[in-house]
Amino acid sequence: KAGVTQTPRYLIKTRGQQVTLSCSPISGHRSVSWYQQTPGQGLQFLFEYFSETQRNKGNFPGRFSGRQFSNSRSEMNVSTLELGDSALYLCASSLGDPNTDTQYFGPGTRLTVL
Amino acid sequence: AQTVTQSQPEMSVQEAETVTLSCTYDTSESDYYLFWYKQPPSRQMILVIRQEAYKQQNATENRFSVNFQKAAKSFSLKISDSQLGDAAMYFCAYRRSDQAGTALIFGKGTTLSVSS
Repeated sequence: KAGVTQTPRYLIKTRGQQVTLSCSPISGHRSVSWYQQTPGQGLQFLFEYFSETQRNKGNFPGRFSGRQFSNSRSEMNVSTLELGDSALYLCASSLGDPNTDTQYFGPGTRLTVL
Repeated sequence: AQTVTQSQPEMSVQEAETVTLSCTYDTSESDYYLFWYKQPPSRQMILVIRQEAYKQQNATENRFSVNFQKAAKSFSLKISDSQLGDAAMYFCAYRRSDQAGTALIFGKGTTLSVSS
């Protein structure tokens, strides 16, 4: 079974721009979660989508948004980029059952904001 | 709010030796899940082991085992017969068991180096 894939793997943007990251979950997985990883803050939860609905949200500003499509693929959008948004963005997929779930991670998208 | 603490930023071990990585967490929940993830230099996060809080028995996966002490809120990872490929950053993570808590809460990580 193919793993979680994320595109693009690397991105360079400038302040004020916006960016869209994509995540394709493992086949059959209905939940997609997004995390931001930085050296200072570590790994922080952004949001989770399940069956095209946002089920959970972390403590990030509204510039960070996402969506999920009917095939469970998810996109994350960051508008008005700031230098502090430079990070590794990880996507994780799971079946979506809190009682049994394990999240499997993709390779990440490295975003650099100049 | 739940928190996860890894008190050892760096650890080192020699090949074939055993090393234990520490993790403590704070929660008022009685049912939850704990995980250890490994992140090698390639940055791909890999699940190492998972523990359900309601299970008394410590989880084991080949050379990896945990010591889960629920009352002490401690969840350490033991790596036996360490190999060069075990070198990575290890993250301890907590997740609630209900639908509102599918988010993983991570510790800051422990960088493990393995020498030959």
